[in-house]
Amino acid sequence: NAGVTQTPKFRILKIGQSMTLQCTQDMNHNYMYWYRQDPGMGLKLIYYSVGAGITDKGEVPNGYNVSRSTTEDFPLRLELAAPSQTSVYFCASTSTGGLQYFGPGTRLLVL
Amino acid sequence: TQLLEQSPQFLSIQEGENLTVYCNSSSVFSSLQWYRQEPGEGPVLLVTVVTGGEVKKLKRLTFQFGDARKDSSLHITAAQPGDTGLYLCAVIQGAQKLVFGQGTRLTINP
Repeated sequence: NAGVTQTPKFRILKIGQSMTLQCTQDMNHNYMYWYRQDPGMGLKLIYYSVGAGITDKGEVPNGYNVSRSTTEDFPLRLELAAPSQTSVYFCASTSTGGLQYFGPGTRLLVL
Repeated sequence: TQLLEQSPQFLSIQEGENLTVYCNSSSVFSSLQWYRQEPGEGPVLLVTVVTGGEVKKLKRLTFQFGDARKDSSLHITAAQPGDTGLYLCAVIQGAQKLVFGQGTRLTINP
C-alpha cells in the first residue's frame, strides 16, 4: 500500500516556465488536497477536490490550476512560474470523516 | 490575520527539560488537531481533541483543549532529541480541509 505518492521530489524552474506536480493515492479516497509550505511556516491550502470531476479553490489558488479526472490522481499545474511560488508542495487525501494522509512533498525552486 | 496563532515560534531546550507550546484563536472550534513534521516529510497526526477541557496523553506528550474550545496546549515532559521537529496545530473546516497554524519549531539539544 503506497498511500500518497508525489513526483518529482525536487525541481528547479526558471521564471515563466510551466510544470505539473503529480499526486496519486491508492486508498480510494474521495477527498484530495494541495497545500504549500513556505520555509518555517504552516501549510496553506491551494486547491482541493471532493471527488472526480469536482475541484474548488483554497486559500492561495492564484497561479495554479488543478484537474481531477480520476479518483486516484490530482495533478497541480503551474503555468507561469514566479519566484513567489518557491515552496514545498504537499498533496494529501482523506476518506469522509477520516484521517488525512500526506505525501512526502515536492520541493520547488523558481529562479 | 492568522486563524491559529502558535507560540513560541522557535524553542530550543536541553534534553530532559519540560516544555509547553500553545495554539490560540479567537474562534471556537468543534475539534483541533496536533501534527508533528520532520524535515523532508509531510505532517503526521499526533492527536485530535474534541471536547472542551479534554486532556489526552501520548507517552510523554500531553495535549489539552481549552474549556471554551478556542485554544490548545502541548506539554512535553523530559524532552528527548527525538522530539525535535515542527509542531503544527490545525482545525478542520468543510470538506475536511485543514487550516494550520504557523508552527513551533522545537529543537532538543543532547
